[in-house]
Amino acid sequence: GAGVSQSPRYKVAKRGQDVALRCDPISGHVSLFWYQQALGQGPEFLTYFQNEAQLDKSGLPSDRFFAERPEGSVSTLKIQRTQQEDSAVYLCASSLAQRGAGNTIYFGEGSWLTVV
Amino acid sequence: QKEVEQDPGPLSVPEGAIVSLNCTYSNSAFQYFMWYRQYSRKGPELLMYTYSSGNKEDGRFTAQVDKSSKYISLFIRDSQPSDSATYLCAMSAFNYGGSQGNLIFGKGTKLSVKP
Repeated sequence: GAGVSQSPRYKVAKRGQDVALRCDPISGHVSLFWYQQALGQGPEFLTYFQNEAQLDKSGLPSDRFFAERPEGSVSTLKIQRTQQEDSAVYLCASSLAQRGAGNTIYFGEGSWLTVV
Repeated sequence: QKEVEQDPGPLSVPEGAIVSLNCTYSNSAFQYFMWYRQYSRKGPELLMYTYSSGNKEDGRFTAQVDKSSKYISLFIRDSQPSDSATYLCAMSAFNYGGSQGNLIFGKGTKLSVKP
């Protein structure tokens, strides 16, 4: 597609519910990132994939967060047993080459998660 | 102290004004500097991209990087109401595969341009 596509755009989850957020990156982009953006804050790094390999998950806040990109294209961010502090916008981004190569990173519109 | 500091504003200016936005940072390894524009309920959109120190101009937008002072700026000339958005600075180091290749963002400055 023309840009990074994310679904669902909006999700309301009851506390304790599991959620899955999908990202479809720009075709051919090697690098894929997930960021979390709390209200009034800048995005914060969660995890990074190079093709299907998850090379960095240092930003995942707890073991309730899990991400995968099994075929090196579409990625899913899963949050188990959601808590109110998980309420945020989850942004997916992709880049043509490896992280750190200086290539620009393009963001999707985000998945807005509200945990009630 | 956070790695990247940015005044969150809000900043309100009249149409046609010159807007100056800036960020300071502490990590001397940062080499790539970006400005993103984020409209309400949208994802960040890349506006300007600069490698190392210097100036870059694109239409009404000018980005400046001063690595010696660890200070970056974005100037918007002849500001328009359509420029009303949150402006995020972001930066990263040059490190293939390493964690420093991640983008580190400022908090964002909310700009409002009044007609």
